[in-house]
Amino acid sequence: QVQLVQSGAEVKKPGASVKVSCKASGYTFSGYYMNWVRQAPGQGLEWMGWINPNSGGTQYAQKFQGRVTMTRDMSITTAYMELSSLRSDDTAVYYCARDMGNYFDFWGQGTLVTVSS
Amino acid sequence: QSALTQPASVSESPGQSITISCTGTSSDVGSYNLVSWYQQHPGKAPKLMIYDVRKRPSGVSNRFSGSKSGNTASLTISGVQAEDEADYYCCSYAGSGTLVFGGGTKLTVL
Repeated sequence: QVQLVQSGAEVKKPGASVKVSCKASGYTFSGYYMNWVRQAPGQGLEWMGWINPNSGGTQYAQKFQGRVTMTRDMSITTAYMELSSLRSDDTAVYYCARDMGNYFDFWGQGTLVTVSS
Repeated sequence: QSALTQPASVSESPGQSITISCTGTSSDVGSYNLVSWYQQHPGKAPKLMIYDVRKRPSGVSNRFSGSKSGNTASLTISGVQAEDEADYYCCSYAGSGTLVFGGGTKLTVL
């Protein structure tokens, strides 16, 4: 069965970086883009971007250009999302989600990132 | 790109039908039949309910249906049940490999 298991909660100081992992299993990792979506407390979903695990190619939402980096390690079927220059409004739950063609059929459990001094 | 526009909240009694709208522009909803809908219960990850405007994944109740007219997509829930109480989000392809979500709609079952 398809599973996306994310790394645990993080607490970071403003200006720091965070790297969240998403371990995929139960399907061919290279065959599906992986997207990242975040949700601030009490707010809606926000699309951040995707990575093509096969090629390593990426597409980021304009809002995060220059601050986000999505990578993958094919040997351990894991995708990563790194966000730098963290601010308090980056406090959110970050989700990875498998892309079936511009929609998401499986989601990770979410990783809470708290940015606080 | 700007978020798609959804009503903040809707409410209905059990057994009735409800429709949630999702308004975009000619650059996203209006240009592509690539609208999806997600249900999210508190503290849980979103769940796919509709994709490609009107297709329903295996396992999703046929009480859920999707449609689109112009720049507005809609999710209809027929015979609303208590378990349907949740937040609902639309999402559309917006060109150049990008996606955009709606602001979300909280459904209350009275």
